[in-house]
Amino acid sequence: GESVGLHLPTLSVQEGDNSIINCAYSNSASDYFIWYKQESGKGPQFIIDIRSNMDKRQGQRVTVLLNKTVKHLSLQIAATQPGDSAVYFCAENLGGTASKLTFGTGTRLQVTL
Amino acid sequence: GAGVSQSPRYKVAKRGQDVALRCDPISGHVSLFWYQQALGQGPEFLTYFQNEAQLDKSGLPSDRFFAERPEGSVSTLKIQRTQQEDSAVYLCASSLGQTNTEAFFGQGTRLTVV
Repeated sequence: GESVGLHLPTLSVQEGDNSIINCAYSNSASDYFIWYKQESGKGPQFIIDIRSNMDKRQGQRVTVLLNKTVKHLSLQIAATQPGDSAVYFCAENLGGTASKLTFGTGTRLQVTL
Repeated sequence: GAGVSQSPRYKVAKRGQDVALRCDPISGHVSLFWYQQALGQGPEFLTYFQNEAQLDKSGLPSDRFFAERPEGSVSTLKIQRTQQEDSAVYLCASSLGQTNTEAFFGQGTRLTVV
């Protein structure tokens, strides 16, 4: 299938290492954030979310950190696997009835063996 | 079905042709969203439905774009008189609640206007 994000920033990590993907969001009023994974030819897949009243949330092999002071979000993937290779997007939501998501530009994660 | 389903998967249209893209959301999901994703970009919001009501259409790029969800389930995005700049992947997403809940995306429809 076609590649998603032909000219996106790329992060290359070795299998088994930890990955950290960063995102700067735009709106200080945003109160809900989501990380999505998008593989070539597929729609975005939910990974983990966090609300603005938290600064850290953990899932299975993934952790999201939120720094509201500098409007920065990061996704940490532990023990990165080849199946983690994809483009990763952060998305922000203003909350309330403003349910639309605003996506960042994305980062391509390449896992090398 | 188990997930959000979109059809067709691929669509090639001649410039000036009208197209209709279909989205079947997850059963029972109140909210439905359409996004446009150009190659190498993140998805960009087009429009949002809560049941059958179109509450936000601020992202529709022109009056050639029209979306509907008449019975609060299936939605159709229609593009009239397609132009080359309309070429993109059109993604549909649905979520259970009205606000701040996880949105599930379909695989998208890749539209190519020639």
